[in-house]
Amino acid sequence: KNQVEQSPQSLIILEGKNCTLQCNYTVSPFSNLRWYKQDTGRGPVSLTIMTFSENTKSNGRYTATLDADTKQSSLHITASQLSDSASYICVVRRTGDKLIFGTGTRLQVFP
Amino acid sequence: NAGVTQTPKFRVLKTGQSMTLLCAQDMNHEYMYWYRQDPGMGLRLIHYSVGEGTTAKGEVPDGYNVSRLKKQNFLLGLESAAPSQTSVYFCASGPVAPDTQYFGPGTRLTVL
Repeated sequence: KNQVEQSPQSLIILEGKNCTLQCNYTVSPFSNLRWYKQDTGRGPVSLTIMTFSENTKSNGRYTATLDADTKQSSLHITASQLSDSASYICVVRRTGDKLIFGTGTRLQVFP
Repeated sequence: NAGVTQTPKFRVLKTGQSMTLLCAQDMNHEYMYWYRQDPGMGLRLIHYSVGEGTTAKGEVPDGYNVSRLKKQNFLLGLESAAPSQTSVYFCASGPVAPDTQYFGPGTRLTVL
């Protein structure tokens, strides 16, 4: 079954600390993987997208990694800020098919 | 450039009532989508459109209808609302399918 699982479900960190969010998928055949940020009460906004041949991609303080062999991805946030408080959604696309969304990790950054 | 807008932002319905959610985009995108987001579940595709005048079923289409009479608008209709349709509804659009999607702010619907 094509699934995307994220961990942890929720995470609380202090401002300035780093954190890593995990995404495991069983989607096949794999086309690409995208991380979205969703602020409370808003729609998701794309952070990064990676294809099969890409191992890492950065967007400011956000760095995503992809291991297509183990079907795992991570999103690392460096020097967290209060504005990083949001849900982070991992989305995998099957080749020639739809997007499959993970349930998200809810991150809360406290001062 | 407003991007993707959704109307209304909030709505409360009684079981059996009908309503239409409006999605509008000003980016000249061909593809438009309607999703629902429920607690503990990922976004699920309800219906989508690959161009003006076209619609197609997604993962959870039952109880919903859609229309795309104009390229910039995508309407989602509930003919007879049920409590199970209580959810947050997101519209998205994109120039190519299905990788690049830009989401609207969402509509929170409660069916009593």
